Amino acid sequence: AQSVTQLDSHVSVSEGTPVLLRCNYSSSYSPSLFWYVQHPNKGLQLLLKYTSAATLVKGINGFEAEFKKSETSFHLTKPSAHMSDAAEYFCVVSDNRRSNTGKLIFGQGTTLQVKP
Amino acid sequence: GAVVSQHPSRVICKSGTSVKIECRSLDFQATTMFWYRQFPKQSLMLMATSNEGSKATYEQGVEKDKFLINHASLTLSTLTVTSAHPEDSSFYICSIGQRAPAGETQYFGPGTRLLVL
Repeated sequence: AQSVTQLDSHVSVSEGTPVLLRCNYSSSYSPSLFWYVQHPNKGLQLLLKYTSAATLVKGINGFEAEFKKSETSFHLTKPSAHMSDAAEYFCVVSDNRRSNTGKLIFGQGTTLQVKP
Repeated sequence: GAVVSQHPSRVICKSGTSVKIECRSLDFQATTMFWYRQFPKQSLMLMATSNEGSKATYEQGVEKDKFLINHASLTLSTLTVTSAHPEDSSFYICSIGQRAPAGETQYFGPGTRLLVL
């Protein structure tokens, strides 16, 4: 069975400081991993995705994530937080089995607060 | 990535009425669309998978007679909440899946906020 655990429900950083949002996953199959961001009352926007190519994945808005199979982690980082980064972030896993196309497993989300 | 729109963005209705939410894929022909529901401060819950030209596949616990899904074309799926009640108030989000050799990526619409009075 697959699962996703976001280790922090709430992260608060100061503007200009690094961001780290932690995510661990469990999957019996070769997974695809995603980070999505959701601003209040908006849909989800894809930040980045890992699909078994390079383990360090660069996304939009300066975010990146590193797939570490040995640690079953896919943490999201950004060197310098901006006020506009304040939002809800979801770590998501899907397996690539044909029979399970489209099934995404969502983490519970991490609220990122950015203080001026 | 694919661009997805939803209409309306917000709807308020009386208890007992039906509400239709549209999900459109603006630049991609989507044979499959997904409908999610999100309660405040919670993650997304998959309700059903909408398949173009055939019946939708509902997740366990989701009433198919309550949440009617129609996927009549490759660019449009609709979700109708029938006989809505206050407990149906929620944020409804659709997505489309784009398949690639490395796997599928879902792109989400902006969501529809439903408030049932």
